[in-house]
Amino acid sequence: DSGVTQTPKHLITATGQRVTLRCSPRSGDLSVYWYQQSLDQGLQFLIQYYNGEERAKGNILERFSAQQFPDLHSELNLSSLELGDSALYFCASSVGGGTADTQYFGPGTRLTVL
Amino acid sequence: AQTVTQSQPEMSVQEAETVTLSCTYDTSESDYYLFWYKQPPSRQMILVIRQEAYKQQNATENRFSVNFQKAAKSFSLKISDSQLGDAAMYFCAWMTRTSGSRLTFGEGTQLTVNP
Repeated sequence: DSGVTQTPKHLITATGQRVTLRCSPRSGDLSVYWYQQSLDQGLQFLIQYYNGEERAKGNILERFSAQQFPDLHSELNLSSLELGDSALYFCASSVGGGTADTQYFGPGTRLTVL
Repeated sequence: AQTVTQSQPEMSVQEAETVTLSCTYDTSESDYYLFWYKQPPSRQMILVIRQEAYKQQNATENRFSVNFQKAAKSFSLKISDSQLGDAAMYFCAWMTRTSGSRLTFGEGTQLTVNP
């Protein structure tokens, strides 16, 4: 158990809908990262937040957004869902926000868009 | 583009034997960090081992060790005394100064452990 929690574990929804994925980092960690794992794209970095502020952005679609709250939990919002958004979404956390920090992953949220 | 390549989509090993998983990368930077993550059937991403590029000594964690060849840009993972629980997808990953703190992953190697 990495100490990173993600809810829900599974999510099934329809095209065009909006969903919210939630992540709680390890105790003491200030950074939260979101990754997407899909069959065709592999594991891809989406976005990073550090202590409530956006720190880095990857190949995140405009339909996707995220935020980190004062209690450091983070939410990833996916809207106007398409079939291709079906994937495993991971949250990871680290103590700081720099390149020296190891990232620890949560169990993931499996999103299925029908 | 800076890339990470795992050339072995699948590997198999007999229980108690040793197996080596390959990873190569391409960068012009000198300051970076390399990782191996394991993803068992549960789909959880589990950190196996980490290597700092500035360290010449190869990292070791119990039965897991790396062979880091900086000049050759190679970062292989050796699993000794393989156990059934080692069966998983293994991902090589790195982060560099210019990429910030994002991890870039290879395609993965599916390891099967035969009893």
